[in-house]
Amino acid sequence: AQTVTQSQPEMSVQEAETVTLSCTYDTSESDYYLFWYKQPPSRQMILVIRQEAYKQQNATENRFSVNFQKAAKSFSLKISDSQLGDAAMYFCALTRKLIWGLGTSLAVNP
Amino acid sequence: NAGVTQTPKFRVLKTGQSMTLLCAQDMNHEYMYWYRQDPGMGLRLIHYSVGEGTTAKGEVPDGYNVSRLKKQNFLLGLESAAPSQTSVYFCASRPTGLETQYFGPGTRLLVL
Repeated sequence: AQTVTQSQPEMSVQEAETVTLSCTYDTSESDYYLFWYKQPPSRQMILVIRQEAYKQQNATENRFSVNFQKAAKSFSLKISDSQLGDAAMYFCALTRKLIWGLGTSLAVNP
Repeated sequence: NAGVTQTPKFRVLKTGQSMTLLCAQDMNHEYMYWYRQDPGMGLRLIHYSVGEGTTAKGEVPDGYNVSRLKKQNFLLGLESAAPSQTSVYFCASRPTGLETQYFGPGTRLLVL
């Protein structure tokens, strides 16, 4: 069975600082994709970043980057220079049918 | 290019009533998905479609039916609504060869 675990239900960060959200997963597939999605209060699901399992290089999108540890089945999201607009629920998701974690609620303090 | 749209945005039903949620995408995507999102839980896949005329069950299909008569539309039906189906429903689509899914804005359904 494929699973995704986000062990931090809530996190907070000061504006302009860095925060890391954790995600671990389990899958028997050798070829898969991992995603971080952001859900602000508007409820719209917004793709933050994606990682192909066959790529060793960690994905980066502007202030967002991941630490992908394939052997450890870990996929953490780092947000640098946090902004007020980063406040949202963040979901980690696995592969084609999108198995989702329960989410981490991120608060950004001014 | 509207992306993925969902109709309606909000609906209240009484137990036993039926309704259909419409998802439409104008990106010519092959794959379409219906999810539900409940408090304290991530998204759970209800049904999905890999192309026009095809549908398949996801993780929580009971109580729902779907149809994909046209490539751009994916309908989710509730034949006899139950309070347990109170949720926010999301539709998503993706093209062949790209794993990223594009989401609609969601439909909030309340079953009394």
